[in-house]
This record gives sequence, C-alpha cells and structure tokens, in this order.
Amino acid sequence: AQSVSQHNHHVILSEAASLELGCNYSYGGTVNLFWYVQYPGQHLQLLLKYFSGDPLVKGIKGFEAEFIKSKFSFNLRKPSVQWSDTAEYFCAVNAPSGTYKYIFGTGTRLKVLA
Amino acid sequence: DGGITQSPKYLFRKEGQNVTLSCEQNLNHDAMYWYRQDPGQGLRLIYYSQIVNDFQKGDIAEGYSVSREKKESFPLTVTSAQKNPTAFYLCASSPRAGTEAFFGQGTRLTVV
Repeated sequence: AQSVSQHNHHVILSEAASLELGCNYSYGGTVNLFWYVQYPGQHLQLLLKYFSGDPLVKGIKGFEAEFIKSKFSFNLRKPSVQWSDTAEYFCAVNAPSGTYKYIFGTGTRLKVLA
Repeated sequence: DGGITQSPKYLFRKEGQNVTLSCEQNLNHDAMYWYRQDPGQGLRLIYYSQIVNDFQKGDIAEGYSVSREKKESFPLTVTSAQKNPTAFYLCASSPRAGTEAFFGQGTRLTVV
C-alpha cells in the first residue's frame, strides 16, 4: 500500500536556524506532491505543491521543497525560520496523480524558540 | 468570503448516539472529502465525493455515512457503530482530482 513517511515528529529550532523536514513516499508511478501547514488554532493551508517541471518549488513565506524522484522524496526547507513558523507541517501525496487518492504523512510539529 | 465552513467547532455526544457533522463550501468545487485527524496518525480519509449524488469509501469508512445531495454540502454522520469516534474531523474540497485541497476549520467530536 502507498504510504508517506515524515521521520521528524517533533523539531525544535531557534529563530534564524535553517529548517529541513523530510518526506518520503512509497509509490512508483507519477505523483503530485504537497506540503500543508497548520498554525495553532487555524485550518490546514497549502504551503506549496509540485505537479511537474522544475523539481525545486517555491511556496509561501519563504518555504521551498525539492522533489527527488530517485529518492521518492519531497523535503521541505527554509533557510531561516521565524517564531511565527511554529506549526504542524504535513506532507501529502496524490498517487496516482490526477486521482482522488491523497495520502498524508503523520505530520511534524515545529517549535521555533524566540 | 469563499471557503469551507464546518459546524459545530466542538461537539459532545453520549455513547450510542448518532451525530452529524456539517460541511458547506462556496468555492464551487466538485470534489469534497472527510478526513479524521488523530495525534500521531496524520489525516486518514473517511469518504470522498467527486460529484453530487456520488461518494466513495476511503480508508476508514466503517461506522460513518455521508450524503451529497447538493454540490455545496457534504455532511458526515458518525454512527453508533464507530468504535472510537472521539477525534478531530476535517472537511476539504478540491476543484478536481489531483489538485490541492482546501480545508475547513474542523470539528472536534468528543463521545462520552
């Protein structure tokens, strides 16, 4: 069965530190990839997405992610985090792409210390 | 203001009672989804609907039922057959298959 793994369940960083959250999926076909963020008390919202083309995608608030097909990975990065980035981050995979099947990772809770 | 509205935000029910969670969208999206979010387990798909009067079971449909009589509305009923109903329920919609989903604020259901 398809699955999405987010290996970091809890991450604590100081402001200005760099962030990288891992996301690996298990599906050999074409996929669409997403990162969502859930700020405390707010609804899930899209950070960025990848459908095709340049494997390095840029999203909102300075986030970016790189799709590495050979590694089945879609890691999220930010060069310098802020206290306001404290949230839970979910990786999601649409597999096969173009279907109604979405698989979510278990989430990573990020806490940024001021 | 376009979006997805879930109500109520908090819901308490006694064990053995059915309860219906509301989800309304004004985004004119064809597809709607219900997810369950439990700590450490991410989001798991309960049901989804591609168009009006059609819906499909997700990974954890047992003990739940849905209807899709209108494009804007996709209510979820948590029945007494659901063995562990206490959870956070999220409704979402998307314009079409494969595109990003838009989420509501969620309903936290507590069964006592």
